[in-house]
Amino acid sequence: EAGVTQFPSHSVIEKGQTVTLRCDPISGHDNLYWYRRVMGKEIKFLLHFVKESKQDESGMPNNRFLAERTGGTYSTLKVQPAELEDSGVYFCASSPQTGRNTIYFGEGSWLTVV
Amino acid sequence: GESVGLHLPTLSVQEGDNSIINCAYSNSASDYFIWYKQESGKGPQFIIDIRSNMDKRQGQRVTVLLNKTVKHLSLQIAATQPGDSAVYFCAENAAGGSYIPTFGRGTSLIVHP
Repeated sequence: EAGVTQFPSHSVIEKGQTVTLRCDPISGHDNLYWYRRVMGKEIKFLLHFVKESKQDESGMPNNRFLAERTGGTYSTLKVQPAELEDSGVYFCASSPQTGRNTIYFGEGSWLTVV
Repeated sequence: GESVGLHLPTLSVQEGDNSIINCAYSNSASDYFIWYKQESGKGPQFIIDIRSNMDKRQGQRVTVLLNKTVKHLSLQIAATQPGDSAVYFCAENAAGGSYIPTFGRGTSLIVHP
């Protein structure tokens, strides 16, 4: 069974440009999460989808970040316009149900804004 | 706000030794804890979890201890191997919430052959 897949694995963009990250969760997982880790710091929660609905987006840093999950399958996270402080690794994770259960992470999309 | 943190950012051990990675949490409402391992270039992988009604849980070469009195969690790795080198994160889930894991900063474990 395929795990959580993310694309691109690495991206280098200039300040002010736009980047769109994609996440394909494990098939059948209704819950999809986005997290971000800035170098040397904790993994911070960004938002949580249940199917196509945003259940919790309290971690989104500002309105330059837009996440979507049309159809409740894959999700995209767009950063527009990108700033230097947006550099980091963006992890997507999924789980079959909400609650105390293991969430499975993808390998991350490493974003560098220069 | 509530936070999860780690006592040591880096831990160096010799191959074959036992490793202990510590984690402190401050949210008294947390009732489910998870340890993740993140190898270089990869995403966090589940290692072991423990619910608050337990003090100890063992897996293969790993043991998690939970001390609710002092809000402390530890991960013990027996006979540490070079393949155990990674960053280890503890995460907590708070009861009554959406059970979205909240992560600490991570401890980098370096195993010397």
